[in-house]
Amino acid sequence: DIQMTQSPSSLSASVGDRVTITCRASQGIRNDLGWYQQKPGKAPKRLIYAAFSLQSGVPSRFSGSGSGTEFTLTISSLQPEDFATYFCLQYNSYPRTFGQGTKVEIK
Amino acid sequence: QVQLMQSGAEVKKPGASVKVSCKASGYTFSNYYVNWVRQAPGQGLEWMGMVKPTGLTDYAQNFQGRVTMTTDTSTSTVYMELSTLRSEDTAMYYCARDGWLDYWGQGTLVIVSS
Repeated sequence: DIQMTQSPSSLSASVGDRVTITCRASQGIRNDLGWYQQKPGKAPKRLIYAAFSLQSGVPSRFSGSGSGTEFTLTISSLQPEDFATYFCLQYNSYPRTFGQGTKVEIK
Repeated sequence: QVQLMQSGAEVKKPGASVKVSCKASGYTFSNYYVNWVRQAPGQGLEWMGMVKPTGLTDYAQNFQGRVTMTTDTSTSTVYMELSTLRSEDTAMYYCARDGWLDYWGQGTLVIVSS
């Protein structure tokens, strides 16, 4: 199984801050990676697919980068509605595996 | 628009089984398969398996022998049945479309308690 190591597990940030979250795959997954946002009691919502493609309707302050084993989600200017948990998913092979999640909290 | 509508919350006793449904709409059901993912309270996400519209399945090793995923193409509905429930199976269960899990259902809470 491919292990996805996500960091940090949590972070505190202020509105307007630039935030970066990283996922590392235990083996190369090309760019078969998605990023999701999850708010309490809600289903995950996909933000990014194919490592850097923005899901339709998602604000452009979200961006993804990386390929192979190292991936990054960046929020260029954190907004109040962005406080949530974020996680990555690799879909290069089965079983699908997820990062452990990053909780973004208000500083 | 693509929607996956799941059945309501369930409370089960240890040793029982639960069957959760996921009704798809807004897309051609026969063109996409459906995954099941669960999330225990305060925990991360765990992929359980997937079922193709043809009925072909692929289950995660952790659930082999305990999970059954089926489809009903006449109603565009996918089912996930988990047997021999234990307290550790208390979780939110989600269905999600296709290999890259682009759309998700709203989740079904399953509580296992005596």
